[in-house]
Amino acid sequence: DAKTTQPNSMESNEEEPVHLPCNHSTISGTDYIHWYRQLPSQGPEYVIHGLTSNVNNRMASLAIAEDRKSSTLILHRATLRDAAVYYCILSSAGNNRKLIWGLGTSLAVNP
Amino acid sequence: DAGITQSPRHKVTETGTPVTLRCHQTENHRYMYWYRQDPGHGLRLIHYSYGVKDTDKGEVSDGYSVSRSKTEDFLLTLESATSSQTSVYFCAISGQTHTDTQYFGPGTRLTVL
Repeated sequence: DAKTTQPNSMESNEEEPVHLPCNHSTISGTDYIHWYRQLPSQGPEYVIHGLTSNVNNRMASLAIAEDRKSSTLILHRATLRDAAVYYCILSSAGNNRKLIWGLGTSLAVNP
Repeated sequence: DAGITQSPRHKVTETGTPVTLRCHQTENHRYMYWYRQDPGHGLRLIHYSYGVKDTDKGEVSDGYSVSRSKTEDFLLTLESATSSQTSVYFCAISGQTHTDTQYFGPGTRLTVL
């Protein structure tokens, strides 16, 4: 299964944009890129996902490199409530739902 | 929020005792999962189910069994709890395809003394 690499931690200031990187150099053509986040003492929650094109939703934007070997989750204006661990995960039809969850990126947001 | 509940939310038990955790969903989703989360390991899949009475092992299934007799309920059983099974356990659900979002429950904190 293709795996992802993320920085252990990042820091941002409130109301500034945040760019969270993810490398997935062994991604296959049918793998989808998913982002989840986990707030303290809660279960993970879905943020966004995409295949090839950039995606936007009310929470964030997902920018996918042209070669798909990397992607970036963009939080346009960080708030204190965005402090969480962000996970970048790949899913494919062949992995039978056995997603590989790494340690993610712990995002701290400074007031 | 997806309708997923876990019970109990907290449990303290002793080594060697059986423990059953319950996950209940009201979304009629086909897939259900049990994960454990430990410091330094992230989320690891224990077992999952792709339908009533249809289950498969994840990466850390030793010492755990599961059952799904109804669409809405997925039970995780530790036949004889050990201290290494002290963890936070999360249940998740998802729909038909691999692109479908997984929705997570609030978690169960289990301590085995």
